[in-house]
Amino acid sequence: NAGVTQTPKFQVLKTGQSMTLQCAQDMNHEYMSWYRQDPGMGLRLIHYSVGAGITDQGEVPNGYNVSRSTTEDFPLRLLSAAPSQTSVYFCASSRTAEYEAFFGQGTRLTVV
Amino acid sequence: GNSVTQMEGPVTLSEEAFLTINCTYTATGYPSLFWYVQYPGEGLQLLLKATKADDKGSNKGFEATYRKETTSFHLEKGSVQVSDSAVYFCALLRRYGGSQGNLIFGKGTKLSVKP
Repeated sequence: NAGVTQTPKFQVLKTGQSMTLQCAQDMNHEYMSWYRQDPGMGLRLIHYSVGAGITDQGEVPNGYNVSRSTTEDFPLRLLSAAPSQTSVYFCASSRTAEYEAFFGQGTRLTVV
Repeated sequence: GNSVTQMEGPVTLSEEAFLTINCTYTATGYPSLFWYVQYPGEGLQLLLKATKADDKGSNKGFEATYRKETTSFHLEKGSVQVSDSAVYFCALLRRYGGSQGNLIFGKGTKLSVKP
């Protein structure tokens, strides 16, 4: 009964470093997405995918890359970390775009 | 464009008090509406949903009614408990057209319930 699994839970990066946040779901959901949560801002969409091999940009895509080679996995790559990317990142999945989303536990990222 | 506006917090209530968290939305078409809850240190969990006008979503004593005429989806609970302390997010989901499937969130309302 794993649902949506994100790793790591916490990460500290230095400015300019790159890293990949992992997201996996075991519900055979077609739709997956990444959000960032910042104080007083709610959640904002970074990138999303409607199925394997298909990705698109959300509201705040700059500085992030995604790929979707399998239905289960949707990693988020930070190309060159900046302090402005300090945030809590949530991965979500849903059966299709028309259904409610299930969220992972989040990754708290600090860029120093 | 699409947007969600919810009342700013924090909201502090005593146990057994009545809760209302206001949420209004702007959207083209007929979005689905949701309330998500985030307990401290955890991810978001779906609390309730409504997919068409006049639908009432309910769960764990919480209720919200999809009001198309006032573009609102206010969250209510008759008697809050300390365990309801969390951040509550109102969200809309466009089901058709551009940005289909993308949740639009309000900024969240932090609720603290005191014994």
